[in-house]
Amino acid sequence: ETTLTQSPAFMSATPGDKVNISCKASQDIDDDMNWYQQKPGEAAIFIIQEATTLVPGIPPRFSGSGYGTDFTLTINNIESEDAAYYFCLQHDNFPRTFGQGTKVEIK
Amino acid sequence: QVQLQESGPGLVKPSETLSLTCTVSGGSISSYYWNWIRQPPGKGLEWMGNIYYSGSTNYNPSLKSRVTISVDTSKNRFSLNLSSVTAADTAVYYCAREVRGNVDSWGQGTLVTVSS
Repeated sequence: ETTLTQSPAFMSATPGDKVNISCKASQDIDDDMNWYQQKPGEAAIFIIQEATTLVPGIPPRFSGSGYGTDFTLTINNIESEDAAYYFCLQHDNFPRTFGQGTKVEIK
Repeated sequence: QVQLQESGPGLVKPSETLSLTCTVSGGSISSYYWNWIRQPPGKGLEWMGNIYYSGSTNYNPSLKSRVTISVDTSKNRFSLNLSSVTAADTAVYYCAREVRGNVDSWGQGTLVTVSS
């Protein structure tokens, strides 16, 4: 089973900040990493696929990087509407596994 | 745009079977994989398993002996059964669509509490 170690668990940002969220895999998963945003009571939104590809309709301030075991979700010029829970998911192998999630607060 | 909606009892007694259904609207259930994922209160997400529209399944080994996922293409829905539940199975349960390996659409989730 591939363990995903996501950090930080919580972060507080000011509008306009650049935010980085890390997800490290316990084994090589190529680029089979996705990122999601979730707000309370809402369905999760798919924001990054295959580690680096922005899902259509997602604002370009979101970006993803990485390959193999180290992955990063970056939010440039963060906005108040970006306050949410973010998590990573690997689909390289079974069972699918998730990072523990990051709660992003906007001051 | 496809939409997924979970439904089922919000309260299940210990040792009983938890049963949930996910109804798919705005698209056909055919040609994709369909997943069940859960999140216990205050904890991370856990993938439970998935099913192809044709009926082939993959399950998380941690749950394999207790979980069954089925699909009803005529009603455009799929279901989860989790047997012998305990308080540890209290969680928000999500259904989700998977396209070419990518989980791209999620339901809003439904809270199931296991308690007598």
